[in-house]
Amino acid sequence: EAGVTQFPSHSVIEKGQTVTLRCDPISGHDNLYWYRRVMGKEIKFLLHFVKESKQDESGMPNNRFLAERTGGTYSTLKVQPAELEDSGVYFCASSQERVRGEQYFGPGTRLTVT
Amino acid sequence: GNSVTQMEGPVTLSEEAFLTINCTYTATGYPSLFWYVQYPGEGLQLLLKATKADDKGSNKGFEATYRKETTSFHLEKGSVQVSDSAVYFCALSDRAGKSTFGDGTTLTVKP
Repeated sequence: EAGVTQFPSHSVIEKGQTVTLRCDPISGHDNLYWYRRVMGKEIKFLLHFVKESKQDESGMPNNRFLAERTGGTYSTLKVQPAELEDSGVYFCASSQERVRGEQYFGPGTRLTVT
Repeated sequence: GNSVTQMEGPVTLSEEAFLTINCTYTATGYPSLFWYVQYPGEGLQLLLKATKADDKGSNKGFEATYRKETTSFHLEKGSVQVSDSAVYFCALSDRAGKSTFGDGTTLTVKP
């Protein structure tokens, strides 16, 4: 069974540009989460999808970030326009059961904004 | 809100030394607790978990016990190897499935 995959693995963009990150969860996992680790600090929650619906987007930093999960399969996270402080590693995770909380993480996308 | 406090790193040990990485948490209700590991160049992997008080999670020689009275979930290993060098994250998950992580502790094991 394939794990959670993320694309690209690394992206370097200039301030003001747009970047779109993609996450493919494990097949059959209804729950999809986005997290971010900035400057070697803690991994912070961004948002949670259940199928195609946003269950909790309380961690989204501002309206420059837009997440979608059309059809309840893969998800995209767009940053537009990117700022320097958006640099970090963006992780995606998926789970089958929300309550037990065991999430399977992707390898992450390292975003560098210059 | 929920929070996780991890022992600050980095931690450097010699091979076969005993490892403890402290983790305490603050949460409402009864969260599940986890340790994740990130090896160099790889993504996060679940190392072990515990879903209720007094549960002990174990894997690859690592252990952690869910202590509700001290709100702790300390990670231990009796004899570390060079291959254990990685970043270790303590985390909790609430009933909504939302995870809260600690800052991560970088472990370097020297031969």
